[in-house]
Amino acid sequence: QSILTQPPSVSATPGQKVTISCSGSSSNIGNNYVSWFQHPPGTAPKLLIYDNDKRPSGIPDRFSGSKSGTSATLGITGLQTGDEADYYCGTWDSSLNAVVFGAGTKLTVL
Amino acid sequence: EVQLVESGGGLVKPGGSLRLSCAASGFDFSFYLMTWVRQAPGKGLEWVSTISTSSRYIFYTDSVKGRFTISRDNAKNSLFLQMNSLRAEDTAVYYCARVGTGSSDFDFWGQGTLVTVSS
Repeated sequence: QSILTQPPSVSATPGQKVTISCSGSSSNIGNNYVSWFQHPPGTAPKLLIYDNDKRPSGIPDRFSGSKSGTSATLGITGLQTGDEADYYCGTWDSSLNAVVFGAGTKLTVL
Repeated sequence: EVQLVESGGGLVKPGGSLRLSCAASGFDFSFYLMTWVRQAPGKGLEWVSTISTSSRYIFYTDSVKGRFTISRDNAKNSLFLQMNSLRAEDTAVYYCARVGTGSSDFDFWGQGTLVTVSS
């Protein structure tokens, strides 16, 4: 069982918006920055969001991140079929002295 | 262009050893923390280990402590993972990744190398 809780799956149609939640505790999300990763099958993961809400160079502004208390949220607008992938949240856990990931959320664009 | 290329994966028997390597290029390797992340078949991402720029600070996930050793050679722009006493549950694709400004923002990843532990 993962330290960070994500929904197993979300789905939406092209053009719509979707959000993916990530719930943790004060030892991880509550006191550390959150990152989000996109991982299409058979490829390397890609960093989408870091420091809760910052986008690396080259990541479109359709992707956004936010954090409140011990939860974080990834938002994706203008969904495209190419967005189908597994999405993971990650952060440092100060009690474990370890990086922790959520179990991942499979996004299906219908 | 940042590139990370893993090598060293393969099939090994339970109890055996493997040494993974990650060749880095396109950035000043010595300035960045580096990390290993794995993904077992059908499972999610699992962080394995992180090493600081000078190798002074090293962290491991509990399940590999005492069995895996992370190291780096800044002169050769290389990251390593020595894996001993391998178990079936260590079977996974192993990715090396560069750590950005924080502790979990892994901003560039390699394509991964498959480690299979089976008799």
